[in-house]
Amino acid sequence: EVQLLESGGGLVQPGGSLRLSCAASGFTFSNYVMSWVRQAPGKGLEWVSSINSRGGSKYYADSVQGQFTISRDNSKNTLFLQMNSLRAEDTAVYYCAKGRSDWLDAFDIWGQGTMVTVS
Amino acid sequence: EIVLTQSPGTLSLSPGERATLSCRASQSVSRSYLAWYQQKPGQAPRLLIYGTSSRATGIPDRFSGSGSGTDFTLTISRLEPEDFAVYYCQQYSSSPLFTFGPGTKVDI
Repeated sequence: EVQLLESGGGLVQPGGSLRLSCAASGFTFSNYVMSWVRQAPGKGLEWVSSINSRGGSKYYADSVQGQFTISRDNSKNTLFLQMNSLRAEDTAVYYCAKGRSDWLDAFDIWGQGTMVTVS
Repeated sequence: EIVLTQSPGTLSLSPGERATLSCRASQSVSRSYLAWYQQKPGQAPRLLIYGTSSRATGIPDRFSGSGSGTDFTLTISRLEPEDFAVYYCQQYSSSPLFTFGPGTKVDI
């Protein structure tokens, strides 16, 4: 079964840091773009960051550029999001998502999400 | 920067009715790079349509997508009880890499 499982969320004070992880299974992780998408309470979806299959190209939304760092470990089928200098507006459910291919494409598999609360 | 707007904000319909959801882009979007997602309360989004009109794996054929340029449509031919949810369009053709619309809620 194709699956993504996020972890690492929690309550953090403003200015603090968190590292989210996303464990992938059921597909060849190293073949696909992986992304993070967040959703603030009661709000819509916001793309946060993406990384290509080999990890050499990384992309960020303007809202997190310079604050968040995406990375991946293909040997461990795991995606990461390092979040620094957290602010109240970063409070959201963070979803890990798999792209349909190794380039710009829709997100065909999503994790269940992990909640990050900055307060 | 491409901005997506969706209309209506809320669509109130009954089971068996046809739903037509609109997604408008501030600039032209390649047909290859427009997707639709469904999200139910407390759940992750689910991919319905990619490339404007291709159904994702396991998506029933009552869901269809169409459009080009700046105007795209998701149609649900006959609403089933499980279709009442929030629907988001997404473009992935231009900077920023991925943009979502604000969503349309389809409720009973």
